[in-house]
Amino acid sequence: NAGVTQTPKFQVLKTGQSMTLQCAQDMNHEYMSWYRQDPGMGLRLIHYSVGAGITDQGEVPNGYNVSRSTTEDFPLRLLSAAPSQTSVYFCASIATGTGGEDQYFGAGTRLSVL
Amino acid sequence: AQTVTQSQPEMSVQEAETVTLSCTYDTSESDYYLFWYKQPPSRQMILVIRQEAYKQQNATENRFSVNFQKAAKSFSLKISDSQLGDAAMYFCAYRSAHGGSQGNLIFGKGTKLSVKP
Repeated sequence: NAGVTQTPKFQVLKTGQSMTLQCAQDMNHEYMSWYRQDPGMGLRLIHYSVGAGITDQGEVPNGYNVSRSTTEDFPLRLLSAAPSQTSVYFCASIATGTGGEDQYFGAGTRLSVL
Repeated sequence: AQTVTQSQPEMSVQEAETVTLSCTYDTSESDYYLFWYKQPPSRQMILVIRQEAYKQQNATENRFSVNFQKAAKSFSLKISDSQLGDAAMYFCAYRSAHGGSQGNLIFGKGTKLSVKP
């Protein structure tokens, strides 16, 4: 089935640990992005990519690293987790150039950093 | 930079009644998209309705409709015949139609809708 696959769904980390949140899409979308959702803050853009090999920072990029080696995958890396990174993370995949209807979100990852 | 404001952190509606959620935005662009997303407790982001700025006609999707006022930069969502399943967090979002960051969504802080039986 077409869509955005995001793993894991839940994760608990200790301060200083590293991890990678995985995101994959099978719709051949060039544009992919990562958001974090905090209570009372809505969703805020962390990093985005307009195609393989091209990434850029969003509103809240500090503490996160991304790469885009293929069109399908866009992993988000936390190199040294901090309690401030406790949040719910969403990956999105969008077909730009369409009428705005072709945009999809993953199911989200709830991350807790102790 | 574009911003999206939802001034109602929480709203409540009686089942079968109508409720309107407010959203205003700020932009200097003329071509863009606006969206309403629903987020139930499952956390899944569900697209409710979208509006293309160049279209004057307000979008409708079954019980959901919008009042798009481009000059006033207002984009409210009306839910008619409210159902218990409509209870969720609702987010208004903006997206540019052109440029290198045209895929970036800018969200409001959300409105939590409760539906009373």
